[in-house]
Amino acid sequence: DAKTTQPTSMDCAEGRAANLPCNHSTISGNEYVYWYRQIHSQGPQYIIHGLKNNETNEMASLIITEDRKSSTLILPHATLRDTAVYYCIVRPIFSGNTPLVFGKGTRLSVIA
Amino acid sequence: DTEVTQTPKHLVMGMTNKKSLKCEQHMGHRAMYWYKQKAKKPPELMFVYSYEKLSINESVPSRFSPECPNSSLLNLHLHALQPEDSALYLCASSPDQGAGGYTFGSGTRLTVV
Repeated sequence: DAKTTQPTSMDCAEGRAANLPCNHSTISGNEYVYWYRQIHSQGPQYIIHGLKNNETNEMASLIITEDRKSSTLILPHATLRDTAVYYCIVRPIFSGNTPLVFGKGTRLSVIA
Repeated sequence: DTEVTQTPKHLVMGMTNKKSLKCEQHMGHRAMYWYKQKAKKPPELMFVYSYEKLSINESVPSRFSPECPNSSLLNLHLHALQPEDSALYLCASSPDQGAGGYTFGSGTRLTVV
């Protein structure tokens, strides 16, 4: 039961900002938006998460719309090493027995 | 130490073999997970251990047998596997089952011949 919708693939020129969208129109008030990425043949890597405010860390920025029905992950200056599958995941604040479940994600290709 | 270490990185086994995958973390995390990932597909949850007890089994065939000997170690015992079980097996941990910050290992690439 998919709770998020992401484009299958995207391209981005090296050095430009990569903006990855995610729709989560059924998100509830007690659910976070998480982003993970998986570089080829490696394990998924946590990037960032947020509830309703925009968030920024050393890897990326997360912009959540005011109605919380969609969000955008921004990689400000994409490099070739950012080529990966990016997963947007919605999870309850208190997850209890609900583990992390991955959807299909967006395959981002950064092009030189 | 902020890593999850999985061994071996690659494993080739016959359908009659018995082998084990190992996962170790020293972050004090009390929840540990096994995921299976087929090529070009997202990771799929197999098992969840919380405080060293099995809390979730996603209807995984009995030829996969998990074990959590202590809070730092997680094993996956394999027996009588089929070629379709060939996949990347990922281990992850989190502070507890309700915490969202998962740390993943690099996985074991398993080939069943």
